[in-house]
Amino acid sequence: NAGVTQTPKFRILKIGQSMTLQCTQDMNHNYMYWYRQDPGMGLKLIYYSVGAGITDKGEVPNGYNVSRSTTEDFPLRLELAAPSQTSVYFCASSKQGILETQYFGPGTRLLVL
Amino acid sequence: AQSVTQLDSQVPVFEEAPVELRCNYSSSVSVYLFWYVQYPNQGLQLLLKYLSGSTLVKGINGFEAEFNKSQTSFHLRKPSVHISDTAEYFCAVSERNNDMRFGAGTRLTVKP
Repeated sequence: NAGVTQTPKFRILKIGQSMTLQCTQDMNHNYMYWYRQDPGMGLKLIYYSVGAGITDKGEVPNGYNVSRSTTEDFPLRLELAAPSQTSVYFCASSKQGILETQYFGPGTRLLVL
Repeated sequence: AQSVTQLDSQVPVFEEAPVELRCNYSSSVSVYLFWYVQYPNQGLQLLLKYLSGSTLVKGINGFEAEFNKSQTSFHLRKPSVHISDTAEYFCAVSERNNDMRFGAGTRLTVKP
């Protein structure tokens, strides 16, 4: 198993541009999550999904959108990039909820200039 | 809402010495507690978690943590650290499923 994979690893965006961060898991997990990690801070939950077709907001959803058309994929969309979205983004998955072990991807480092 | 405070941002320690990373939480209801480790340029990995039962929880790599409800703490300990334990450690708390709050992290540096 590859686990949780994320692409790209690093990206520079200009203010106002849009992009999609890709996340794929091959463990047949129902739950998937997107977090952001700002320098010197812990992770904050952006969005999560409990299964294909079902998504919900986390702690910091503004400026982002998600979709979950398949069990494996959970892309995160930034429509109008802002400097405040400069961060490291982590995707994670778990079998049944946050109380079970979450498996994290290696992260995407995003810089918005 | 729940919150987490990690009392030390950096902890330097010599190899084979014991270490304690401190974590306090704030919540008005029952909580679930976690410790995650992040090695450089990697995602987080679960070390251990407390959901219920025994307040002393043993995790991977020789780490353990003790849930203290009266002091609202969940400190992480290891009796003898290795160079390979150098990493960032995050304490996290959850009051309910799909809502987890992380602390700011403690950078553990193990020196030879």
